[in-house]
Amino acid sequence: SQQGEEDPQALSIQEGENATMNCSYKTSINNLQWYRQNSGRGLVHLILIRSNEREKHSGRLRVTLDTSKKSSSLLITASRAADTASYFCATILAGGGNKLTFGTGTQLKVEL
Amino acid sequence: GAVVSQHPSRVICKSGTSVKIECRSLDFQATTMFWYRQFPKQSLMLMATSNEGSKATYEQGVEKDKFLINHASLTLSTLTVTSAHPEDSSFYICSAEWLAGDNEQFFGPGTRLTVL
Repeated sequence: SQQGEEDPQALSIQEGENATMNCSYKTSINNLQWYRQNSGRGLVHLILIRSNEREKHSGRLRVTLDTSKKSSSLLITASRAADTASYFCATILAGGGNKLTFGTGTQLKVEL
Repeated sequence: GAVVSQHPSRVICKSGTSVKIECRSLDFQATTMFWYRQFPKQSLMLMATSNEGSKATYEQGVEKDKFLINHASLTLSTLTVTSAHPEDSSFYICSAEWLAGDNEQFFGPGTRLTVL
């Protein structure tokens, strides 16, 4: 079963704009991770945020985590055509060992 | 670092045959690897957790006799789809847990299986 819902399901923006994707989950977590998947390829790990962290940055990526609302957001600033991909959040549940539970994903298209 | 490979990247087989997919962690040791299945435009669904030196743990609804998993070394796990049928056609992705970090998983490039 899937833990997370992501919205929007699909997002189309112009190059240079910012893209924001949201992830909501249902149960307590140890950490939340964001992954990118290009069409027909494997997943690339983008960023991990622990349950006691509120915000994390990596290059053009900014992730926030609100455990009271059970939600996270991924912001990609100054988007590029190469950012076109599907983005998934995934959680490690509190007490759930090491299994990742994936959200439904957001398909991002960045147009020139 | 933290590179995971999968082989083959793509396989087409006839119904009734068995197919083996390999997952290797190239530059780190992985006591735990995971196997996922992904249908077009959908998310990843965990099939099983592969533990080095012990039996795999399968998720509910996944037939262990259909999807045989072997994790014989700290860098290799294999998934064998036995007596494959067209409904087994899918994208299979493995991942390896990187214990040196926060238990991040690093993913292989996936294997596209088509059963005719």
